[in-house]
Amino acid sequence: DAGVIQSPRHEVTEMGQEVTLRCKPISGHNSLFWYRQTMMRGLELLIYFNNNVPIDDSGMPEDRFSAKMPNASFSTLKIQPSEPRDSAVYFCASSFEQTPQHFGDGTRLSIL
Amino acid sequence: SQQGEEDPQALSIQEGENATMNCSYKTSINNLQWYRQNSGRGLVHLILIRSNEREKHSGRLRVTLDTSKKSSSLLITASRAADTASYFCATDGSSGSARQLTFGSGTQLTVLP
Repeated sequence: DAGVIQSPRHEVTEMGQEVTLRCKPISGHNSLFWYRQTMMRGLELLIYFNNNVPIDDSGMPEDRFSAKMPNASFSTLKIQPSEPRDSAVYFCASSFEQTPQHFGDGTRLSIL
Repeated sequence: SQQGEEDPQALSIQEGENATMNCSYKTSINNLQWYRQNSGRGLVHLILIRSNEREKHSGRLRVTLDTSKKSSSLLITASRAADTASYFCATDGSSGSARQLTFGSGTQLTVLP
């Protein structure tokens, strides 16, 4: 039974570049969450989707961040243009209704 | 924003000892969950306690919840070196079918062999 799959696992890029993070939720799950984890701010919810529809994006830091969920099995988080302060580990999680969330292993993003 | 605050921030114990971690939160909740994170990995759900429950057990884990004090504790009994990880509490105060969680700052547990 595959868990939440995120790609890439690591990304190093220069500031100003576009970054796209990808997530495949667990099949059958209807909620998907994007988090960012840093030492300073801990684990922050950026945005979450329910049945492919964005429900709350109040955690998205600024307009440089955008997220899409074109279908039930795929979501992307895009940063354009990227900045050094965006460096963090980005997690995707999925759940079904009121069940606990299942997390992927994250994408470690470094912006130089 | 983080609702849960955990203490201690770091805890180091010997194998076989018990480890207790505490979590405090600020607003009303539907349930409180504990997650574990190994270095370089995602969070893994451990246990959920509902707002009308006071205590719950799962294997070597014991969770308590005091809604009047807005606090919870996680006890790991007979700890093992493999229990070394960060532990996070997460509160669910959302309505509707999508369960939005707010995570605490975490406790880094080190179990020495």
